[in-house]
Amino acid sequence: EAQVTQNPRYLITVTGKKLTVTCSQNMNHEYMSWYRQDPGLGLRQIYYSMNVEVTDKGDVPEGYKVSRKEKRNFPLILESPSPNQTSLYFCASSDRGPNEKLFFGSGTQLSVL
Amino acid sequence: GENVEQHPSTLSVQEGDSAVIKCTYSDSASNYFPWYKQELGKRPQLIIDIRSNVGEKKDQRIAVTLNKTAKHFSLHITETQPEDSAVYFCALFGFQKLVFGTGTRLLVSP
Repeated sequence: EAQVTQNPRYLITVTGKKLTVTCSQNMNHEYMSWYRQDPGLGLRQIYYSMNVEVTDKGDVPEGYKVSRKEKRNFPLILESPSPNQTSLYFCASSDRGPNEKLFFGSGTQLSVL
Repeated sequence: GENVEQHPSTLSVQEGDSAVIKCTYSDSASNYFPWYKQELGKRPQLIIDIRSNVGEKKDQRIAVTLNKTAKHFSLHITETQPEDSAVYFCALFGFQKLVFGTGTRLLVSP
């Protein structure tokens, strides 16, 4: 089944403790992206990747890192999480770029205490 | 960067009524306008999209219209059903990025 798999679904952590949210797609998509969803603010892009080893900042990249060493994986890294990073995170992918249908993962609800 | 304004933020209708959600933008170079539906606790899913060379697109009970001159596009849902209750996001592709609106919570009452 074609899908974008995100883990974990829920995560509670404390300020400053490094964490990684994984994202994997099995559709051989070139484009992958991370969004955060906050009430009243919609979906805001954190980072995106047009292909392996190519990543770029979105609208809200501060405090986040990403890597794209393999085509299928696009992990989101929070080196030193802070409470303002408490949010619902979505990974998404598309065949070639953001101007095509996005396939979203199931989301990760992160709480930073 | 590009900005997209979405209205209304909430919309309540009776089953069978029509619902219209509107988004406005400023970048005349924007050329791709998708709409995503997010049911409670679920992931966003594409329901319809339109490109700038087309003025209207329909898929059963949903349609999207695009007015490039006025720089707005709208989602139309006819004969609404309770299962249409969800948050709807417009988006547009501009400045090489996909930008989302802030969402409309649609509630369809039986």
